[in-house]
Amino acid sequence: DTEVTQTPKHLVMGMTNKKSLKCEQHMGHRAMYWYKQKAKKPPELMFVYSYEKLSINESVPSRFSPECPNSSLLNLHLHALQPEDSALYLCASSQQGGNEKLFFGSGTQLSVL
Amino acid sequence: RKEVEQDPGPFNVPEGATVAFNCTYSNSASQSFFWYRQDCRKEPKLLMSVYSSGNEDGRFTAQLNRASQYISLLIRDSKLSDSATYLCVVKPAPGDSWGKFQFGAGTQVVVTP
Repeated sequence: DTEVTQTPKHLVMGMTNKKSLKCEQHMGHRAMYWYKQKAKKPPELMFVYSYEKLSINESVPSRFSPECPNSSLLNLHLHALQPEDSALYLCASSQQGGNEKLFFGSGTQLSVL
Repeated sequence: RKEVEQDPGPFNVPEGATVAFNCTYSNSASQSFFWYRQDCRKEPKLLMSVYSSGNEDGRFTAQLNRASQYISLLIRDSKLSDSATYLCVVKPAPGDSWGKFQFGAGTQVVVTP
C-alpha cells in the first residue's frame, strides 16, 4: 500500500470557521509533512513531523495548527483563515534515513471566503 | 540565486517527438534527486529517482551530473498524456536542512497532436 489518503478533497470555509484537514498513511513512514501550494507555484513546506514530534515549523501563522495523533495520522486544524490562505494543501510522508522520497496525498483544495 | 532552478517552459512538443530539460541545483552536497510529475490541481507524483549512473524507465531517462550540478529528464516518443508540469526535487545534505526538500518551480510540457 503506497497511498497517502487526504480528506476532504475540497473545502470551502468562511473566515470565522474552524475546520480540520486529515491525512493518513500506512507505509510505516515516520516523517509526515504539510505543504501549501498556490497555482503555478511549487509546494511550500509548512510543517514536518518526525516520529510524531513536530520538528519543523516554517514560521507558519498560528491560525494553522498541526497535530500528529499517531504515526499514521496527521491533522491540520484551521481557524480564522484569510482569503489568501486559499490553496491546495498537500500532505506527504517519507521514510527516514537512506533513500527518502516524498509520497503525496491527493490534496485538499481549500477556498476561504 | 534559487537553490533549485528549472526552465518554466512551456515546452510545446509534437506527439511522438523527444523533449529534454534540465534542473540545476546550488548545493554541491545535495544528496538525492527526483523528478515528479504534477497535473493541474493534482498532487505531485514521483516519476523517478535520479542516480549518478543515469536511469531509464520506459520512455523516460534521467541523468545526474554532479560536476555541473544539474539533473536532466528526457521523454521519448511523447504521448498526449505526458502533458504536465515536471518538478525537480532535491533532498539536501544531512544536517540542519533535514526534511526541507527543495523544489524547482516546475517545467511545463505540452504535447500537441
